[in-house]
Amino acid sequence: DIQMTQSPSSLSASVRDTVTITCRASQNIGGYLNWYQQKPGKPPNLLIYAASTLQTGVPARFSGSGSGTDFTLTISSLQPEDFGTYFCQQTDRNPYTFGRGTKVEIK
Amino acid sequence: QVQLVQSGAEVKKSGASVIVSCEASGYIFTNYGITWVRQGPRQGLEWMGWISGYNGKTEYAQKFQGRVTMTIDTSTNTAHLEVRSLKSDDTAVYYCARVPHCSSTKCYMENGVDVWGQGTTVTVSS
Repeated sequence: DIQMTQSPSSLSASVRDTVTITCRASQNIGGYLNWYQQKPGKPPNLLIYAASTLQTGVPARFSGSGSGTDFTLTISSLQPEDFGTYFCQQTDRNPYTFGRGTKVEIK
Repeated sequence: QVQLVQSGAEVKKSGASVIVSCEASGYIFTNYGITWVRQGPRQGLEWMGWISGYNGKTEYAQKFQGRVTMTIDTSTNTAHLEVRSLKSDDTAVYYCARVPHCSSTKCYMENGVDVWGQGTTVTVSS
């Protein structure tokens, strides 16, 4: 199985900060990488698919980049509603594995 | 509006089976697929498989092959997930989600999933 390693596991940032979360795949996955945000007690919500394509309705302060094994999710100008846990998922090869998550807290 | 509504929480004994249901509304069920993802306290998020709403074709994660069955009922626009031989490690919240891009042969996870059910908690006790 492809292992997905996220870092950091948690972070605390202030409103209007720029936040960067990284995700590393254990093997080349091309651009087959999705990002999700999850809030407590809710299902995940798709933010970005195919590494860099913003899902409809997601604010433009979210962006994704990367290919191969290294990927980044950037939140520019962090907003209070951006708290939650962020997960990456590779969709290159069955099973479509997730990272362990990055918990984002607003200072 | 488009929504997926899942069945209620279940408590099962080890070795038993459970069926979780996912009723779709607000869209043409046969034009999309359904995927199942679970979230347990130790394993985190785990993708289990998908099923095409068009023809019932399935793809499972190897880990669940032989122990899990995904089915659809197009008369009620409902997808079902059966998990057999339950173990304590199967304790998790089970989610269904809509896969927007499916052909007659495959559902494509590459573009993610766009609508989720609310989740069903399955607790397995010994």
